[in-house]
Amino acid sequence: EVQLVESGGDLVQPGGSLKLSCAASGFSFSDSAMHWVRQPYGKGLEWVGRIRSKANNYATQYGASVKGRFTISRDDSDNTAYLQMNSLKIEDTAVYYCSKQGLTDWGQGTLVTVSS
Amino acid sequence: QSTLTQPASVSGSPGQSITISCTGTSSDVGGYNYVSWYQQHPGEAPKLMMYEVNNRPSGVSNRFSGSKSGNTASLTISGLQAEDEADYYCSSFTSSSSLIFGGGTSLIVL
Repeated sequence: EVQLVESGGDLVQPGGSLKLSCAASGFSFSDSAMHWVRQPYGKGLEWVGRIRSKANNYATQYGASVKGRFTISRDDSDNTAYLQMNSLKIEDTAVYYCSKQGLTDWGQGTLVTVSS
Repeated sequence: QSTLTQPASVSGSPGQSITISCTGTSSDVGGYNYVSWYQQHPGEAPKLMMYEVNNRPSGVSNRFSGSKSGNTASLTISGLQAEDEADYYCSSFTSSSSLIFGGGTSLIVL
């Protein structure tokens, strides 16, 4: 059974940083691209970005609103994907989900609140 | 384009069929057969319902079907059931190798 468990969500001040983790199990993590998707309360889904597998040179791609501020990484030895968020803005407040390749399976999400 | 265009809401009675549209451009929906649909119940994570336009993941009811014409993709749900009431989102691969979501559609089962 595929399991994705996000953690690291917290309350952070504008301009601050936060790092989210996504612990994966039940599939071949090292062969899978990993995505991050966010959802502000009561609003729609927004693609944050993704990191591809080692076979695809760990290539990353980001959505326009987070490019240059967020960084996705992975540790295949630990089956974990990460989302490093810097220069956080109030509008980054959302539930952050991780998902595996094809967005076939999703975690339960972790809440990030950016507020002073 | 920041999001694909979906109707804010659609409704139907139990047993009826409804269709949700998802309109993009030739740089996303129209250019690739990588359109997916997700169902999200309140308080839950999204669930993949359709991928590559018209492919159902294992376990998804065959009451759900997908299609695409030009820059518009569609999700049809036949034999509506109360449990189908949820928010539905489409997504598409784009020419910039990114992913774009639709704004979401609330399905109301009357």
